[in-house]
Amino acid sequence: AQTVTQSQPEMSVQEAETVTLSCTYDTSESDYYLFWYKQPPSRQMILVIRQEAYKQQNATENRFSVNFQKAAKSFSLKISDSQLGDAAMYFCAYRSGGSGGSNYKLTFGKGTLLTVNP
Amino acid sequence: DVKVTQSSRYLVKRTGEKVFLECVQDMDHENMFWYRQDPGLGLRLIYFSYDVKMKEKGDIPEGYSVSREKKERFSLILESASTNQTSMYLCASSPPGPRNQPQHFGDGTRLSIL
Repeated sequence: AQTVTQSQPEMSVQEAETVTLSCTYDTSESDYYLFWYKQPPSRQMILVIRQEAYKQQNATENRFSVNFQKAAKSFSLKISDSQLGDAAMYFCAYRSGGSGGSNYKLTFGKGTLLTVNP
Repeated sequence: DVKVTQSSRYLVKRTGEKVFLECVQDMDHENMFWYRQDPGLGLRLIYFSYDVKMKEKGDIPEGYSVSREKKERFSLILESASTNQTSMYLCASSPPGPRNQPQHFGDGTRLSIL
């Protein structure tokens, strides 16, 4: 079974600075998908960024980017120019690339609570 | 935008009660999921469904059951609630097809069992 590890239970960053959240995973598959989700204090989980394992290019979405190291099974999230609204719990998630209903499920890490200091 | 609606934000029930948590999505998604979220444990999958009347156990199905009679609705049932089922429950849905499609989440139900 796949596992996802977020080794930083809590992180803090100064407003306008850059922070990197780490995520490692364990899998024997070669085809899979990785996601970062954000859960603000309002609680609704929203997608931040996604990465397909077959793509070598790291995904970027505005101030959010990932460093995907397939061989090392590492998928870190970089937040540039941090804003107060970035304060949230961040979850890394893995999804198998196989077809079929059971392959739609996600395996989540335990989360990293990010605090942004003004 | 996809809308996933959970029937209650907060719910308080008593030990031994039968509890229903309801989830409705408005995007005709085939896949629906129930997670529980506990501090320090992240999200753990309880059950999921990839079609009407189809269901599969997730990682922690004990003490729970589910029902999916219509495509848009996925219910989580606590047959006999216990205090260790006090938690935050999140429902999610996703479409079939492209496998990079994310899951869309509801606001969550914070359930307390007294």
